[in-house]
Amino acid sequence: DSGVTQTPKHLITATGQRVTLRCSPRSGDLSVYWYQQSLDQGLQFLIQYYNGEERAKGNILERFSAQQFPDLHSELNLSSLELGDSALYFCASADTDRGTDTQYFGPGTRLTVL
Amino acid sequence: GQSLEQPSEVTAVEGAIVQINCTYQTSGFYGLSWYQQHDGGAPTFLSYNGLDGLEETGRFSSFLSRSDSYGYLLLQELQMKDSASYFCAVPRGFQKLVFGTGTRLLVSP
Repeated sequence: DSGVTQTPKHLITATGQRVTLRCSPRSGDLSVYWYQQSLDQGLQFLIQYYNGEERAKGNILERFSAQQFPDLHSELNLSSLELGDSALYFCASADTDRGTDTQYFGPGTRLTVL
Repeated sequence: GQSLEQPSEVTAVEGAIVQINCTYQTSGFYGLSWYQQHDGGAPTFLSYNGLDGLEETGRFSSFLSRSDSYGYLLLQELQMKDSASYFCAVPRGFQKLVFGTGTRLLVSP
């Protein structure tokens, strides 16, 4: 158990819909990262937040957005869903203030778009 | 750009030793990490090399050569539970990770 929690574990929805994925980082970790893993794209970095502020952006579509709240949990919002958005979405957290390189991943949310 | 190349699949038998290679091309380099991922599971951190040389953690060791832009993960005394995908990764700015293509390790009895 990494200490990072994600909900829901599975999500099945239809094209055009909007969903919200939730992540709670390990206690004390200020940095939260979102990754997408699909069969043909591997693990792709989407976005990072640090203590409520966006710090880095990767290959995140404009239809996707994220935020980190004062209690440090984060949400990833996916809208106008397409079949190709079906993937595993992982959240990770790290104690970047200590300069550590280790990221701790949550169990992921498996999104299926039908 | 950044790219990390790994073999797509490696097979071995229980008790054997296997080496998974990673070659990288990145603009700026801070170190090389390795993560293990079982099917349907989350990536879990295995090791990090910030400097050239070998880092040993139990049955797993990781090696880095900056001059060769190359690293490897060495797994000894293989067990069935080691069957998983292994990813090398480099931290990039604020430590977001760029992952390699992943190597699927199949351990047979």
